[in-house]
Amino acid sequence: NAGVTQTPKFQVLKTGQSMTLQCAQDMNHEYMSWYRQDPGMGLRLIHYSVGAGITDQGEVPNGYNVSRSTTEDFPLRLLSAAPSQTSVYFCATSVDRVSYNSPLHFGNGTRLTVT
Amino acid sequence: KQEVTQIPAALSVPEGENLVLNCSFTDSAIYNLQWFRQDPGKGLTSLLLIQSSQREQTSGRLNASLDKSSGRSTLYIAASQPGDSATYLCAVRPGGNTPLVFGKGTRLSVIA
Repeated sequence: NAGVTQTPKFQVLKTGQSMTLQCAQDMNHEYMSWYRQDPGMGLRLIHYSVGAGITDQGEVPNGYNVSRSTTEDFPLRLLSAAPSQTSVYFCATSVDRVSYNSPLHFGNGTRLTVT
Repeated sequence: KQEVTQIPAALSVPEGENLVLNCSFTDSAIYNLQWFRQDPGKGLTSLLLIQSSQREQTSGRLNASLDKSSGRSTLYIAASQPGDSATYLCAVRPGGNTPLVFGKGTRLSVIA
């Protein structure tokens, strides 16, 4: 039972490069989301999805794209990386879309550095 | 706008001590409050979730309380152990369809 799996664990990009952060879950959770964690800023929500084919913006969506074609996967795309996107990125899931009283399950994160 | 504050930012205690971690929030109209634990280089692990209608939740040596009127929650850890060393984060959900608002955490060190 893998839970929430994020790949890669570490990534270094040059300014302007693009990449996709992967998130996969095997718990059949409907809700999936992406957070970034920065020193002194806490965790901030980037994008989220309440089911396959449905996505919405969070607090800091600019510079990021998402899609949800399957229940299991929720990739986060950086189209043109900027140094301000240097951060630790976490994928988090929850069992259902309508009950917001379900706890979040987090992956182990992707540490991204943009030079 | 809801804001969540955790004081102190860091705390060091000897093994075996009972301790309390504090979380305060600016708007008392919340849907629920969650406590998480984060180990270095790892993701967050959900510890306890308190719904707005509840006053407390317990899991093993952990007890979380909620006082909405005063905008406060506490996480009580009984008989602390070195394995409890981690960063503890508090998060508030302002409404049913709103994202969690996180505090910046309290880094706990339990010294053997």
